[in-house]
Amino acid sequence: DGGITQSPKYLFRKEGQNVTLSCEQNLNHDAMYWYRQDPGQGLRLIYYSQIVNDFQKGDIAEGYSVSREKKESFPLTVTSAQKNPTAFYLCASREQGSNQPQHFGDGTRLSIL
Amino acid sequence: GQSLEQPSEVTAVEGAIVQINCTYQTSGFYGLSWYQQHDGGAPTFLSYNALDGLEETGRFSSFLSRSDSYGYLLLQELQMKDSASYFCAVTSGGSYIPTFGRGTSLIVHP
Repeated sequence: DGGITQSPKYLFRKEGQNVTLSCEQNLNHDAMYWYRQDPGQGLRLIYYSQIVNDFQKGDIAEGYSVSREKKESFPLTVTSAQKNPTAFYLCASREQGSNQPQHFGDGTRLSIL
Repeated sequence: GQSLEQPSEVTAVEGAIVQINCTYQTSGFYGLSWYQQHDGGAPTFLSYNALDGLEETGRFSSFLSRSDSYGYLLLQELQMKDSASYFCAVTSGGSYIPTFGRGTSLIVHP
């Protein structure tokens, strides 16, 4: 079965600590995305990548970093510079083309200890 | 910039019909999508409209009016399992990246 796998499902961060959220897809999609969702809010774009070894900042990239060394993988690091990291993080992928839907993973819920 | 407006909450009874509206402001518009998200879960794709008119998929239909920058999602024969958040998303610009609205929480009562 093809899909997107995010891990872990729950993550706790201590002050001053960097944490990395995993996102893997076996859909052979070129484009991958990271979104942040806060309660009662829509999805806000953190970073996206349209091709291996290339990525772009989204609307709220400060305090986050990504890499795209493989087509299947797009990990997100929440750095200590992100002062309010508590949120639900969603990874998505999709085929290129304007009418192609995004496929989402089940999300990672990050909290501060 | 881009902006989308949709109601924060809609309530309906089982078996009824409900319409969730979405208005948007954007340049270089390509299309309007709808996603469903149950509490704590992943958003799932429902529909996409690039042209004016109504698209029907089972109990769900989606409408777009490009001239009015407006669309809606219509849910018929509501079931309890339809209780979820519904997001409209606009795709525009050269990178085809969707911008999401804040979502509408649909509560279906017995």
